[in-house]
Amino acid sequence: SAVISQKPSRDICQRGTSLTIQCQVDSQVTMMFWYRQQPGQSLTLIATANQGSEATYESGFVIDKFPISRPNLTFSTLTVSNMSPEDSSIYLCSARTGVRNSPLHFGNGTRLTVT
Amino acid sequence: DAKTTQPPSMDCAEGRAANLPCNHSTISGNEYVYWYRQIHSQGPQYIIHGLKNNETNEMASLIITEDRKSSTLILPHATLRDTAVYYCIVRGGDNAGNNRKLIWGLGTSLAVNP
Repeated sequence: SAVISQKPSRDICQRGTSLTIQCQVDSQVTMMFWYRQQPGQSLTLIATANQGSEATYESGFVIDKFPISRPNLTFSTLTVSNMSPEDSSIYLCSARTGVRNSPLHFGNGTRLTVT
Repeated sequence: DAKTTQPPSMDCAEGRAANLPCNHSTISGNEYVYWYRQIHSQGPQYIIHGLKNNETNEMASLIITEDRKSSTLILPHATLRDTAVYYCIVRGGDNAGNNRKLIWGLGTSLAVNP
């Protein structure tokens, strides 16, 4: 199974600023995803990070607010732009290895607080 | 993707088996059942998945009913470290083999008590 490392693990940011979260996988993976988990809630998919092309965003999420990069098969970044307190959440990177129907693996998340 | 229904919370005594149910009555033929858990302040951890046969690994067993409309995750000897939120999810790929997004509910909060 893939080991996924996220940085930073937590941060406190001022409104109006941006934060870039890094996700590193210890092996090449076919698909990488970014999720958000708001306090007391379940996981919501933000986007699929596509290697070498633009990310695929879910309804309610836009590239200007959450730009994503995926320069290779082991690394991705998510930027939370122009932050507001409503962006306070846990952001999770996940990845799938191997064939169809293989399970997702997750990093430990980035706990973001916007003041 | 099929939706799942899980009890919001359960308790289990340490050392006893924890049996976590999940209903997925609208599951379709090519959809797998996946179980994950999330320990406080950590990312979700994959536990086990299956299509129609019962599965067992070093963490747990998965029992899927014959009609596939429900399943049970069994932790044979629960420990305090098994206290977590357990998520049951069903998902299958489309004919092109592309990934369908997982739909996460609120899961079952399992408390293992000493």
